[in-house]
Amino acid sequence: GAGVSQSPRYKVAKRGQDVALRCDPISGHVSLFWYQQALGQGPEFLTYFQNEAQLDKSGLPSDRFFAERPEGSVSTLKIQRTQQEDSAVYLCASSLAGGAEQFFGPGTRLTVL
Amino acid sequence: ILNVEQSPQSLHVQEGDSTNFTCSFPSSNFYALHWYRWETAKSPEALFVMTLNGDEKKKGRISATLNTKEGYSYLYIKGSQPEDSATYLCAFRGSTLGRLYFGRGTQLTVWP
Repeated sequence: GAGVSQSPRYKVAKRGQDVALRCDPISGHVSLFWYQQALGQGPEFLTYFQNEAQLDKSGLPSDRFFAERPEGSVSTLKIQRTQQEDSAVYLCASSLAGGAEQFFGPGTRLTVL
Repeated sequence: ILNVEQSPQSLHVQEGDSTNFTCSFPSSNFYALHWYRWETAKSPEALFVMTLNGDEKKKGRISATLNTKEGYSYLYIKGSQPEDSATYLCAFRGSTLGRLYFGRGTQLTVWP
């Protein structure tokens, strides 16, 4: 497709489960960003990749959060031992370069029970 | 902590009304200001990227202005239509990496 896609669109997890969220960026986009939007808040930055290199992971809230982009294309955000406070919409965005316009996917809504 | 504030939080207008909302952001280390429109269950859609003080941009019935010296941007919608109902997000980008700092958004509902 032409846009950024994310899967799954909705995920329900029991507290303590591990989850993996996938992002397929626009083909050829070098930069990839993950954001987390909690209820009633704006999206907050989690991490940033340029190709396969993770250049900034300062927004990851704890060491339970891990992101990778091994071949510089598809990215996976993994959350281990999910907690209720992890419930949020996780947005992925890609851009041609770090400073260029970011194109967003539809997000994955994660609910932790 | 970098604060981006949007007001109002929500807005209900009648079809045909014109409306505007505000985004305030730090006036230092400014690189760009982004406006996005986000409809439920869809991807946030880029409306404008504004970089220069005094910038004015327009897309159909929607326009935006930018004042980087005082740190604010206005988004205007002329003659609102029900299909304009969405959350409008602004995002600040500083001078370093491409990460965006978002406001909480303004949720607009346009009643027919």
